[in-house]
Amino acid sequence: EIVLTQSPATLSVSPGERATLSCRASQSVSSNLAWYQQKPGQAPRLLIYGASTRATDIPARFSGSGSGTEFTLTISSLQSEDFAVYHCQQYNKWPPLFGQGTKLEIK
Amino acid sequence: EVQLLDSGGGLVQPGGSLRLSCVASGFIFSSYGMSWVRQAPGKGLERVSGISDSGGNTYYADSVKGRFTISRDNSKNTLYLQMNSLRAEDTAVYYCARKDYNYYYFDYWGQGTLVTVSS
Repeated sequence: EIVLTQSPATLSVSPGERATLSCRASQSVSSNLAWYQQKPGQAPRLLIYGASTRATDIPARFSGSGSGTEFTLTISSLQSEDFAVYHCQQYNKWPPLFGQGTKLEIK
Repeated sequence: EVQLLDSGGGLVQPGGSLRLSCVASGFIFSSYGMSWVRQAPGKGLERVSGISDSGGNTYYADSVKGRFTISRDNSKNTLYLQMNSLRAEDTAVYYCARKDYNYYYFDYWGQGTLVTVSS
């Protein structure tokens, strides 16, 4: 099975700054990677699919990039509502597994 | 508007059973595969079970195989997860999630229901 490793585990960033989150796959997943945002006490929400396509109603400050084994989620100018846990998930090969998550916290 | 409403969680003793339900609305339920994804306290997401749009194909993670049964009633727009022989390690928030029409990512999620296995 494909293992996804997210880094860092915790990222401290000030509001208004840029945040860059990483997701590395143990083997190629092509562009079949999704990102989810999860706020405390809430369900995950789909942000990005196909490595770079924003889901419905996701603001343009969220962008995804990468292919193969290296992927990045970038939030260009952090808003207060963006501080959350971010999960990546591959769906190129069975089973479709998640990474362990990156917590984005206020610096 | 797509909505998924999870229910059925609670406190159960080790070895006990629970049945979770997820009522769907706002889309053609019978056209989409569905899954149950859980999250243990302070942990990541784990897809424990999935079912095809017709119900003809099912999937279970090794951690729950033989103990959990997923099913759906397309006439009632409802997804189920029957959980038997529950263990402490099954303690988690359980989310139902809709699979994208073509690919295996999850585009809509229920609000989650908490299952606590403890004596």
